[in-house]
Amino acid sequence: RKEVEQDPGPFNVPEGATVAFNCTYSNSASQSFFWYRQDCRKEPKLLMSVYSSGNEDGRFTAQLNRASQYISLLIRDSKLSDSATYLCVVTLSGGSYIPTFGRGTSLIVHP
Amino acid sequence: NAGVTQTPKFRILKIGQSMTLQCTQDMNHNYMYWYRQDPGMGLKLIYYSVGAGITDKGEVPNGYNVSRSTTEDFPLRLELAAPSQTSVYFCASRSGQGGQPQHFGDGTRLSIL
Repeated sequence: RKEVEQDPGPFNVPEGATVAFNCTYSNSASQSFFWYRQDCRKEPKLLMSVYSSGNEDGRFTAQLNRASQYISLLIRDSKLSDSATYLCVVTLSGGSYIPTFGRGTSLIVHP
Repeated sequence: NAGVTQTPKFRILKIGQSMTLQCTQDMNHNYMYWYRQDPGMGLKLIYYSVGAGITDKGEVPNGYNVSRSTTEDFPLRLELAAPSQTSVYFCASRSGQGGQPQHFGDGTRLSIL
């Protein structure tokens, strides 16, 4: 089982739709969780950190389910500009230096 | 606020040539990383560093070398360029404090012909 798994998609949705992605992780000692956005051939950019209580930033909501070992990203009112690949990143506790990246989920928002 | 700066942005090399990809950060981060990303693929860790003078291999270190003489700089050296090293290279840094995310440079696009 891969350490961090994401459905590669693509998720094809119309403008205005709500879309959700999940990311599962295998190591229960994982402590830090992030969602990044990556546009084609550009660098990954931090979208949001994921906190235990869940957190929201505008149209984006991130949640953590430790019992089932997954994090989720919900995008409401999708915009054309949301089209990108969304990367899930997990870091272990205890001084681990290397974040683990998922392969990413591709989102295409169409008119 | 510059963040993580990579140079050059683009480069074409001939097989067997050498070059150094530069990466510098102005956030006083202890941890720095080099990744490569091939088309349609995920990020692969080449080398990382947890502080000046300390480096370690990642997932795909063969054909590369690094050094970390200062906190700010983490150059990546290709000694004998091969076509398999054609890729986009990203440098990243993060604070040593727990729970902090990585910050990425905007990449170096390298072609080996």
